[in-house]
Amino acid sequence: QKEVEQDPGPLSVPEGAIVSLNCTYSNSAFQYFMWYRQYSRKGPELLMYTYSSGNKEDGRFTAQVDKSSKYISLFIRDSQPSDSATYLCAMIPPQDSNYQLIWGAGTKLIIKP
Amino acid sequence: DADVTQTPRNRITKTGKRIMLECSQTKGHDRMYWYRQDPGLGLRLIYYSFDVKDINKGEISDGYSVSRQAQAKFSLSLESAIPNQTALYFCATSGSSGSGYTFGSGTRLTVV
Repeated sequence: QKEVEQDPGPLSVPEGAIVSLNCTYSNSAFQYFMWYRQYSRKGPELLMYTYSSGNKEDGRFTAQVDKSSKYISLFIRDSQPSDSATYLCAMIPPQDSNYQLIWGAGTKLIIKP
Repeated sequence: DADVTQTPRNRITKTGKRIMLECSQTKGHDRMYWYRQDPGLGLRLIYYSFDVKDINKGEISDGYSVSRQAQAKFSLSLESAIPNQTALYFCATSGSSGSGYTFGSGTRLTVV
């Protein structure tokens, strides 16, 4: 079993819809959670960074962490065609003092105009 | 100019050839990484370096080697390329807290 599981998709939704992207993880000690966005033929770029449980909002994006369920989500409101990309979750295990990221495989998101 | 620059962007090489991928950064970060990305497998760490004198193997280092020529430069070599090394390769940098990685645009390598 992988430490971080993420549905590869593709997830296809109409423009304007609310998108929910998710990752589950097996190590309950994870405390730092990140979402990266990767456009085709580009490197991943950091989108959201959260620590511990709760919600964090940035514009149309909301990152949610549920540590009791070992589940994190990224919500995109009023989705736009420009949001079409692959979204990767990443986590840092606290026992790793070198802060090496553990990556999900990524979910491909397609927003249809 | 990009914060992290990778060269070349695309490369086709033959089985058995030695090839070097180069990475340079202007972020001033000490930490640099080489990742490989394959469809369905996500990003896998090949090597990482926390400073010029520090080189560490990642989860898939076999068949690869690296050189940290300076704080800003980190190169990846395939000593004898094989077809299953066909992939997208990314260089990344981070600060010491690991709070965010900055990636290059990648090198698409095809081994025929």
